[in-house]
Amino acid sequence: AQSVSQHNHHVILSEAASLELGCNYSYGGTVNLFWYVQYPGQHLQLLLKYFSGDPLVKGIKGFEAEFIKSKFSFNLRKPSVQWSDTAEYFCAVNDGTGRRALTFGSGTRLQVQP
Amino acid sequence: EAGVAQSPRYKIIEKRQSVAFWCNPISGHATLYWYQQILGQGPKLLIQFQNNGVVDDSQLPKDRFSAERLKGVDSTLKIQPAKLEDSAVYLCASSYGQAADTQYFGPGTRLTVL
Repeated sequence: AQSVSQHNHHVILSEAASLELGCNYSYGGTVNLFWYVQYPGQHLQLLLKYFSGDPLVKGIKGFEAEFIKSKFSFNLRKPSVQWSDTAEYFCAVNDGTGRRALTFGSGTRLQVQP
Repeated sequence: EAGVAQSPRYKIIEKRQSVAFWCNPISGHATLYWYQQILGQGPKLLIQFQNNGVVDDSQLPKDRFSAERLKGVDSTLKIQPAKLEDSAVYLCASSYGQAADTQYFGPGTRLTVL
């Protein structure tokens, strides 16, 4: 069975600080990896995804993530956060077919202080 | 394009009552998912439909939860009777159902069981 671990439950940063949110997954086969974001009062939105190819994936709003297969990791990064990045971030995985449901981590709440 | 629609947005019931949620996926999306998100956790799959057939309902508590997707378009999820531990946000998501697909989420229904 798949599982996803997000080690940081709550992160507080000042504007312009760099961000890295950890995500590790457990699955024996080929995987697709996702980061979703939920802004306050809004629904889950896709931030970025990795299916194959270049392990460094760029998403919306300046976010990027790197797939490191040997470490089973897919950490999310942003060089300089803004107050508007305050949200909850979820890492998710599904199997290589991409046709199955997502297994989510427990989420990381990011609070950016102005 | 219009997003995934869900109703109601909020529902408060007493334990042992029944409740139903409705979801209308993005037009043309063959795959529909219902997820349960308990406070402080990531979404967890309840059931996955491909058109009007069930792909995965292994985590659906079938003694109290039921779901259908007649005609392969919109879907309803029912809980009868509700328990206190069913308090959660119920999320509907849809995708085209092809490989390397993105799931799009609705706003969710927040259920409170008293």
